[in-house]
Amino acid sequence: SQQGEEDPQALSIQEGENATMNCSYKTSINNLQWYRQNSGRGLVHLILIRSNEREKHSGRLRVTLDTSKKSSSLLITASRAADTASYFCATDGGGSYIPTFGRGTSLIVHP
Amino acid sequence: DAGVIQSPRHEVTEMGQEVTLRCKPISGHNSLFWYRQTMMRGLELLIYFNNNVPIDDSGMPEDRFSAKMPNASFSTLKIQPSEPRDSAVYFCASSWDRVQPQHFGDGTRLSIL
Repeated sequence: SQQGEEDPQALSIQEGENATMNCSYKTSINNLQWYRQNSGRGLVHLILIRSNEREKHSGRLRVTLDTSKKSSSLLITASRAADTASYFCATDGGGSYIPTFGRGTSLIVHP
Repeated sequence: DAGVIQSPRHEVTEMGQEVTLRCKPISGHNSLFWYRQTMMRGLELLIYFNNNVPIDDSGMPEDRFSAKMPNASFSTLKIQPSEPRDSAVYFCASSWDRVQPQHFGDGTRLSIL
């Protein structure tokens, strides 16, 4: 299965701290995406990183990709209570360009 | 711009009844996806349409599930007959193509009693 697996399953931090979530996958990929899901809402796309890229930034978000280790990380710097959500990675590869989603990391940021 | 619109937002019905979920994708998007999300199984892809044509329906759990996309601005997911194990949140998403980031609706929370 191409499905990525996020780690940890749950993360609880204080406002202002950094939050790091990881995604591991099993086979080679074309792209890896990170999404956020607030409670009761649909997923919202955050960043797409291609297999030939190593790092991407968007505001307070930093995504890295290590294809040799088949893993990616999402770093949220200076977290805010509004960052409380579930974060999912989605990978496509193995001949399919349709992304497969992991089970997600539940992040709680305490004010 | 309006995002992906799903209706209804909530549906409660008794087992054996027919359930129809509706989705209006973002105008101009060529790809449409139906997902099911549960605590046990996470987010599962049910079916993927490209240019209104079903391309991959390998995720559709069984014959009780069917999906249609009669035109570029409307899709339905139907469950007939419904069973309690179908209870989940069903999401519709659309994108410019299968590789591009997907835009999700806010889902339909389905409860089958």
